[in-house]
Amino acid sequence: GAVVSQHPSWVICKSGTSVKIECRSLDFQATTMFWYRQFPKQSLMLMATSNEGSKATYEQGVEKDKFLINHASLTLSTLTVTSAHPEDSSFYICSASRNSNTGELFFGEGSRLTVL
Amino acid sequence: GDSVTQMEGPVTLSEEAFLTINCTYTATGYPSLFWYVQYPGEGLQLLLKATKADDKGSNKGFEATYRKETTSFHLEKGSVQVSDSAVYFCALNGGSQGNLIFGKGTKLSVKP
Repeated sequence: GAVVSQHPSWVICKSGTSVKIECRSLDFQATTMFWYRQFPKQSLMLMATSNEGSKATYEQGVEKDKFLINHASLTLSTLTVTSAHPEDSSFYICSASRNSNTGELFFGEGSRLTVL
Repeated sequence: GDSVTQMEGPVTLSEEAFLTINCTYTATGYPSLFWYVQYPGEGLQLLLKATKADDKGSNKGFEATYRKETTSFHLEKGSVQVSDSAVYFCALNGGSQGNLIFGKGTKLSVKP
């Protein structure tokens, strides 16, 4: 089946530093990838839609200058949390669609970010 | 806008008990409906889906029927196992670019 891989799965950083999370579709090309954020005991909230070769589309309330998204190829999207603060600590999950007709998304394992 | 509401957990059951996790939705148009499962320490995996009214999705003993009249997609399993312990998310594809809209998730714990 389709596989989406995220890296790193765990990252701890100091406040003020930047962290990059990679999302790769391993066996299919994904023109669109989605970045979600999951808060404890809450649902997944869509942060942005990443489109290959163009600018990402951010959801309302998501700071585009803080959460930089780059979708440079059909198999790789990156999320960079810039100048991270403790409130950015969360579980970030990427997903990709292989077949838009089915609506199914394939999810990465998620990346747990802890900002000290 | 589109939304998904699912029963709050946690849900704790004994092995072989019957499971129902309620899910209702609000949407314009006719979305596809999904149940995703997140096992401890793992990413979300598709459990089952239904793409149109009256469709029944089923997998691993779980099933859910797309009920347009009640805008529901309740998840059921006749006899749960300890290995079913996980968080279950109901979702619909409501975005213009194909993103999924999720419910808050329901944590299921099955005791031996």
